[in-house]
Amino acid sequence: SQTIHQWPATLVQPVGSPLSLECTVEGTSNPNLYWYRQAAGRGLQLLFYSIGIDQISSEVPQNLSASRPQDRQFILSSKKLLLSDSGFYLCAWSVTGQEAFFGQGTRLTVV
Amino acid sequence: KNEVEQSPQNLTAQEGEFITINCSYSVGISALHWLQQHPGGGIVSLFMLSSGKKKHGRLIATINIQEKHSSLHITASHPRDSAVYICAVGGTSYGKLTFGQGTILTVHP
Repeated sequence: SQTIHQWPATLVQPVGSPLSLECTVEGTSNPNLYWYRQAAGRGLQLLFYSIGIDQISSEVPQNLSASRPQDRQFILSSKKLLLSDSGFYLCAWSVTGQEAFFGQGTRLTVV
Repeated sequence: KNEVEQSPQNLTAQEGEFITINCSYSVGISALHWLQQHPGGGIVSLFMLSSGKKKHGRLIATINIQEKHSSLHITASHPRDSAVYICAVGGTSYGKLTFGQGTILTVHP
């Protein structure tokens, strides 16, 4: 079956510390992968998407980066977190571009 | 102006009431999604629509492609329906989604 694993579910990190959020997909191959973020009081916004291994597109300038070292693995990273990086991060995937499958999300608090 | 607009932003209801949440969009889409987000929880996909109407239990979703409008209905609402309901539209560019701001629904017993 098609599943998506995203971890951790919650994370509290100090300002200036690094970040690594991981998302893995099962039950499909060559999916389009996405990282979205929901800042406080705002809707989810696309940060990065990937159509293949090592193919990453950034939608908005930010303090974050993404990597796709394997077909079904998508990683969101930061070298030094800012307070403004706090929010809810959501990984998603799609194959046909119509259906979409979502991870459980990670609630990140930068203190 | 946001590409996806939801209304209302906040909705309070009494248990048993019929609830409607609306979503309007201004871009061409390949599909529209309705999602549910519980406080502190993750995202649950409720429906994906490209035309017509879908029903799952007490939830009904409709879409009018010509009017670029979708509605999510909840019949016989229950306090456990309290959550944020999010509309998202998928365009033709690599399946990227554009999300509405969400509707906060509170159902009182």
